[in-house]
This record gives sequence, C-alpha cells and structure tokens, in this order.
Amino acid sequence: DIQLTQSPSSLSASEGDRVTITCRTSQNIRIFLNWYQQKPGKAPKLLIHEASSLQSEVPSRFSGGGSGTDFTLTISSLQPEDFATYYCQQSYSTPTFGQGTKVEIK
Amino acid sequence: EVQLVESGGGLVQPGGSLRLSCVASGFTFGANGMSWVRQAPGKGLESVAYIGIGGRSGEYADSVKGRFTISRDDAETSLYLQMNSLRADDTAVYYCASGRGQSSTFDYWGQGTLVTVSS
Repeated sequence: DIQLTQSPSSLSASEGDRVTITCRTSQNIRIFLNWYQQKPGKAPKLLIHEASSLQSEVPSRFSGGGSGTDFTLTISSLQPEDFATYYCQQSYSTPTFGQGTKVEIK
Repeated sequence: EVQLVESGGGLVQPGGSLRLSCVASGFTFGANGMSWVRQAPGKGLESVAYIGIGGRSGEYADSVKGRFTISRDDAETSLYLQMNSLRADDTAVYYCASGRGQSSTFDYWGQGTLVTVSS
C-alpha cells in the first residue's frame, strides 16, 4: 500500500494567517491526491481533487499543489470556520489516507 | 440531493459478525465506485474496502483482508459491508463514500454508523 505522511500533525494559527500543510507519498502518484476537511462529529468534506482542482462550492482561499510524491494544501487567509482536521488521500491505487493535520486556534 | 444513509451498526462481541448497509439516492449509483471508510475513536481515516463500477471484486486494507467483504446491488442502489471475525480494534464509525466515477476520490459521504466490538 502507498503510505502518506502529513506534516505538521497539528498547528496553531490565528484568523487571517496563511497556512500550509504538506503530504508526502511513498511512491509517485502523479496528481492523484485529494484533500479533505473534517470537523468534530461530521463526515469528511472533499476540498481539492487531483492535487489542485477546487471542488465545487469550496472557497477560493483553499488551494492545492504538487505532483509525484510531494503535495501541499494552502489556506491563504484562515477563517474561523477553517479550524478543523485536514487529511490527504491518494486515489492512484487502493485508497489510503494521511494521518491528519489538526488546525487549532492560537 | 445526494444522500448516503448507512445502517447496521451496533454492539457486537469479539469474533462476531455484522453487516452494514448504505442506501444511495440522488445520483447514478451504478456509475460510481464506492468505499467504506472507518474512523476509530479519536483517530484518523482508514479506507477499509473499495468496490469499482460493476462490482465484481473489492480492494481491501490489510487490516481487514480475509475478514470483510464489500458488495453492491446497483438495482437497489445499495452498498454492503459484511464484517466477520470482528476484533476490538474494528471499533469505529464506518462511513459510506461515493467516488467520482470510477475513481476513489470521495465526493459524497454518509453520516456514519458506529460499530462497537466489546464483550
């Protein structure tokens, strides 16, 4: 199975901050990398698919980049509703997820 | 409106079996791959089983291979997960998720059903 490693595991940030989360995969997955947001007690929500494509109705402050084995999720200006846990997931082969990054209020 | 509604969770003893169901509506069920994704209490997400369009076979996480079986009934727009030889570490919320076409990019999710394995 393809392993995904996210960093950091958690971060503290303030409203308005620019935040970047990275995801590294154990083998080349081209652009088959997705990002999800999950809030407590809720199902995950797809934010970004195929590394950089914004899912419908997701705010433009979210962006994704990368290819091969190194990927990023960036939130350009953190809003109160963005405090959540973020997961990367590869759809290149049998799906696997990263361990998650919890974004907390500083 | 897309809906995925899971059922079948509950309390089961170690070594027991359980069958989860997910009824889909609001999209062309037969044109999408489907998956079961679980989340143990306080932990991250794990895709435990995936089934493609046509559904002749599934792909499984190593942690459940040989114990879990995923299946689908396109006529009933339903997804199933047969779970046998359950262990305490199978305790989790189990989500049904739909893929974008044949891919395992999960654009719609159910609300989840809790499975607790305990004596």
